[in-house]
Amino acid sequence: QSVLTQPPSASGTPGQRVTISCSGSSSNIGSKPVNWYKQSPGTAPKLLIYSDDQRPSGVPDRISGSKSGTSASLAISGLQSEDEGDYYCAARDDSVIYVFGTGTKVTVL
Amino acid sequence: EVQLVESGGGLVQPGGSLRLSCAASDFTFSSYWMTWVRQAPGEGLAWVAYTNQAGSERYYAGSLEGRFTISRDNAKNSLYLQMNSLRDEDTAVYYCARIGKSGYNFDNWGQGTLVTVSS
Repeated sequence: QSVLTQPPSASGTPGQRVTISCSGSSSNIGSKPVNWYKQSPGTAPKLLIYSDDQRPSGVPDRISGSKSGTSASLAISGLQSEDEGDYYCAARDDSVIYVFGTGTKVTVL
Repeated sequence: EVQLVESGGGLVQPGGSLRLSCAASDFTFSSYWMTWVRQAPGEGLAWVAYTNQAGSERYYAGSLEGRFTISRDNAKNSLYLQMNSLRDEDTAVYYCARIGKSGYNFDNWGQGTLVTVSS
């Protein structure tokens, strides 16, 4: 099972801000860079955030990442219908080498 | 644009073997670490294995080491996953992905190939 814990779901209305948490430990988030991925239904995952808070080219700046201690967060501002999907945090880990979070399903109401 | 195309998935009986391939194009394949990630039906993402540029370093998820082998052929711009002693719980979509230069992020993914283990 995953050692990175995320809430199973999050939701908001268009324009709102949604935050997703990712809780880990000193062997992963506490000492390694965190990455975030988004997966739309029936498609491959896509990198959203790398190295805690860096956006790849093409990812809008209303999507941001942060980290404090052994927890990380992904924030989506100005929520849009295209933001619906499953979001996963991920990081290297001293014990299990690499791990994904449990995943959070984002719904735009 | 980076392209990764997986192939080799299909239906296999428990205890059987399968070899997945991932054809890479439009980037210098030999310069990147590469990885396999899988997703069981209705489940989340699970890391499987990754390998360095030369294929000399290989790391596996604990439960898979010994049954799965990751390899690559840089001359053919291809990544492979040999899967032996397959079990029902190995049923999943298998994705190959490129590992970015900045810290173990998977910056480009293939479309995935479905492996179904069933009698």
